[in-house]
Amino acid sequence: DIQMTQSPSTLSASVGDRVTITCRASQSISTWLAWYQQKPGKAPKLLIYKASNLESGVPSRFSGSGSGTEFTLTISSLQPDDFATYYCQQYNSYPWTFGQGTKVEIK
Amino acid sequence: QVQLQESGPGLVKPSETLSLTCTVSGGSISSYYWNWIRQPPGKGLEWIGYIYNSGSPNYNPSLKSRVTISVDTSKNQFSLKLSSVTAADTAVYYCARQTSGWYPFAYWGQGALVTVSS
Repeated sequence: DIQMTQSPSTLSASVGDRVTITCRASQSISTWLAWYQQKPGKAPKLLIYKASNLESGVPSRFSGSGSGTEFTLTISSLQPDDFATYYCQQYNSYPWTFGQGTKVEIK
Repeated sequence: QVQLQESGPGLVKPSETLSLTCTVSGGSISSYYWNWIRQPPGKGLEWIGYIYNSGSPNYNPSLKSRVTISVDTSKNQFSLKLSSVTAADTAVYYCARQTSGWYPFAYWGQGALVTVSS
């Protein structure tokens, strides 16, 4: 299985901050990486697919980059609605696997 | 707009079989990849498996010996069965749709909490 490791596990930030979350794969996954946002009691919501493509309806302050084994999710200016947990997921090879999550908290 | 809704018992006894159904509305269940994903309380996400267009399912090897995913096109539903459950199978179970094998999970159900306890 491909292991996905996110850092940090928890991030404290303020409204307006630029936030970056990193996801590393245990082997190359090309650009077959997605990012999701999950709020308590809700299903994950797809933000980014194929490493850098913004899902329809997702605000442009979210962006993704990377290829191979290292990827980042950036929120350019953190908004109150963005406090949540973020997961990366690889869909290069089965079984599909997720990172352990990064919780973005209010500072 | 496609919508997915999980249903099934919220409590299952150890060693028994967990059964959940996902009802798809707003679109046909034909085509697409129909997945099950679970999340133990306070933990991360685990992909369980998918079925594509009534074809052969694909399961996570870690659960393969206990999992069955099937589809009922007449009811626009697909189902999950997980046998010989233990407390470690307690989780929120989500159904989700992939447009293709090269696209992630764009549509999710709201999730169903299943507790394994006697």
